[in-house]
Amino acid sequence: NAGVTQTPKFRVLKTGQSMTLLCAQDMNHEYMYWYRQDPGMGLRLIHYSVGEGTTAKGEVPDGYNVSRLKKQNFLLGLESAAPSQTSVYFCASNRGINQPQHFGDGTRLSIL
Amino acid sequence: AQTVTQSQPEMSVQEAETVTLSCTYDTSESDYYLFWYKQPPSRQMILVIRQEAYKQQNATENRFSVNFQKAAKSFSLKISDSQLGDAAMYFCAYRSAGGNTPLVFGKGTRLSVIA
Repeated sequence: NAGVTQTPKFRVLKTGQSMTLLCAQDMNHEYMYWYRQDPGMGLRLIHYSVGEGTTAKGEVPDGYNVSRLKKQNFLLGLESAAPSQTSVYFCASNRGINQPQHFGDGTRLSIL
Repeated sequence: AQTVTQSQPEMSVQEAETVTLSCTYDTSESDYYLFWYKQPPSRQMILVIRQEAYKQQNATENRFSVNFQKAAKSFSLKISDSQLGDAAMYFCAYRSAGGNTPLVFGKGTRLSVIA
């Protein structure tokens, strides 16, 4: 099983550029999440989804948008990238809210 | 809002020895879940152990065990017979049992294992 797959694994952007991070899971999970991880900050939730067609804001949603058009995919968009969004981004999913989350391998994003 | 505090940014342990990582949390809820995740240099997030607040018995998974003190809001992780492969960042996380609430993570503890 592939589990949770994040695309791309690395990316460098210039300030003001836009891009979309893709998260795909093949476990038929209902819940999906996007986190960012910064040094000394642990993981912080950006947005999450409790099912196809739904999204909700997490702790640090500003500057990001998400979409869950298909159950298996959760997209994270940066409309106008800023240096403060340089981070490692993790996607996660779980079958039910009480189940452990399965994480992708992360995307390292640098914005110059 | 719930918060999770890991007061030890870094810890080290000799191979084959035992180490305990601390975690405290703040909540007014009575029913919730607690987790320890391991993040090795590969960046993967790996679930180590899970504890349900309504269960008094401490969870164990092979060499990993927790000391769950509900009244004190403490959830420490004990690693016995430490191995070189245990070297990683360890994150404590909290989740409410009700509703669609997501995980709240602590800032992590970096564990080094000395051969």
